[in-house]
Amino acid sequence: AAGVIQSPRHLIKEKRETATLKCYPIPRHDTVYWYQQGPGQDPQFLISFYEKMQSDKGSIPDRFSAQQFSDYHSELNMSSLELGDSALYFCASSAKSSEKLFFGSGTQLSVL
Amino acid sequence: EDQVTQSPEALRLQEGESSSLNCSYTVSGLRGLFWYRQDPGKGPEFLFTLYSAGEEKEKERLKATLTKKESFLHITAPKPEDSATYLCAVGAGRRALTFGSGTRLQVQP
Repeated sequence: AAGVIQSPRHLIKEKRETATLKCYPIPRHDTVYWYQQGPGQDPQFLISFYEKMQSDKGSIPDRFSAQQFSDYHSELNMSSLELGDSALYFCASSAKSSEKLFFGSGTQLSVL
Repeated sequence: EDQVTQSPEALRLQEGESSSLNCSYTVSGLRGLFWYRQDPGKGPEFLFTLYSAGEEKEKERLKATLTKKESFLHITAPKPEDSATYLCAVGAGRRALTFGSGTRLQVQP
């Protein structure tokens, strides 16, 4: 069965650089969520989209932005990267009629 | 503000030694309580959803229960392959899931 696909799997950036993370949800899933997970921490909700519109907003810094495209894939854009942005970034998708979130394998971002 | 607290933070069991993980929550308008399993470097894997107090769900050696204030994940006769971090999350209203900090389970052969 198709799963949530995230790319890249690993990303290394310098401080003040920008990064773009991509997420391809499970086919026919219309809702995408972004979570940030620091080492040994629980996943922190950043932002979500339903039918290409922002549906909920969590602790996403102003330096970050995200969107969902017509094919339902989503991108998380991160600018002016800081050391503290180093974390595992997960994307999850769900069908609107379901409470069940399916997570991707994550993008490990390291800011040096 | 939704709050989820999991205990213990870490648990080490011998193979076959049953135990329970706790998830206590404070939430307004619970939509569902979710249990996920997470292996190192991987995304959380869905296990169960519980919607109302008194509900129970089972899957292999795992059983999840729910009361109005907490949920338990019971692990019966665990095996080394059950070693993982178990995350509890609550969904409330139209808000995204709020996760607890997880319980790191290690099952030794």
